[in-house]
Amino acid sequence: SQTIHQWPATLVQPVGSPLSLECTVEGTSNPNLYWYRQAAGRGLQLLFYSVGIGQISSEVPQNLSASRPQDRQFILSSKKLLLSDSGFYLCAWSVHGTGTDTQYFGPGTRLTVL
Amino acid sequence: GDSVTQMEGPVTLSEEAFLTINCTYTATGYPSLFWYVQYPGEGLQLLLKATKADDKGSNKGFEATYRKETTSFHLEKGSVQVSDSAVYFCALSPSQEGAQKLVFGQGTRLTINP
Repeated sequence: SQTIHQWPATLVQPVGSPLSLECTVEGTSNPNLYWYRQAAGRGLQLLFYSVGIGQISSEVPQNLSASRPQDRQFILSSKKLLLSDSGFYLCAWSVHGTGTDTQYFGPGTRLTVL
Repeated sequence: GDSVTQMEGPVTLSEEAFLTINCTYTATGYPSLFWYVQYPGEGLQLLLKATKADDKGSNKGFEATYRKETTSFHLEKGSVQVSDSAVYFCALSPSQEGAQKLVFGQGTRLTINP
């Protein structure tokens, strides 16, 4: 069966510090991968998605970047965090290809920028 | 663009009450529709889905019917339990090729009192 992991689970970082969040998927190959952010009391905003290694699409211009160095690894990064980067970050995967594919979510990383 | 509008929360009910959470959508073509549930401090879990008009998704006593004529996908449960307390998200997946980018509603917080 497929599983998706995210770490760390929680993170407290000062403004201006760098960020690296990691997501890995097991039990499937060549998945579509996604990063979402959920601000406090709000819905989910798609940040990035990837259909293959090295292929990243950005949905919202911002202080963050994403990379996919391996087939089942997706990394969210920032060089200098802002207060507004605080939130709950969720990684998700879906089966690659066309059609109405369900997305499966990881447990999330709660980031607090102080 | 595509969008999802959910009933505003929070919603508070007593155990064994009937639940309805309204969801309407705007989309071109024939999107797939989803309900996800988020328990406190966790990621999102798929609750149910429907991929074409008049389909009914069901799981754990929850049901939702894809109504194209009213562009709706309302979530219902006949008798709620305390363990159903969570945030519920309605979402759609646009009906086009490529990575399936889910569009989410704002979420509805549900609290069930014993």
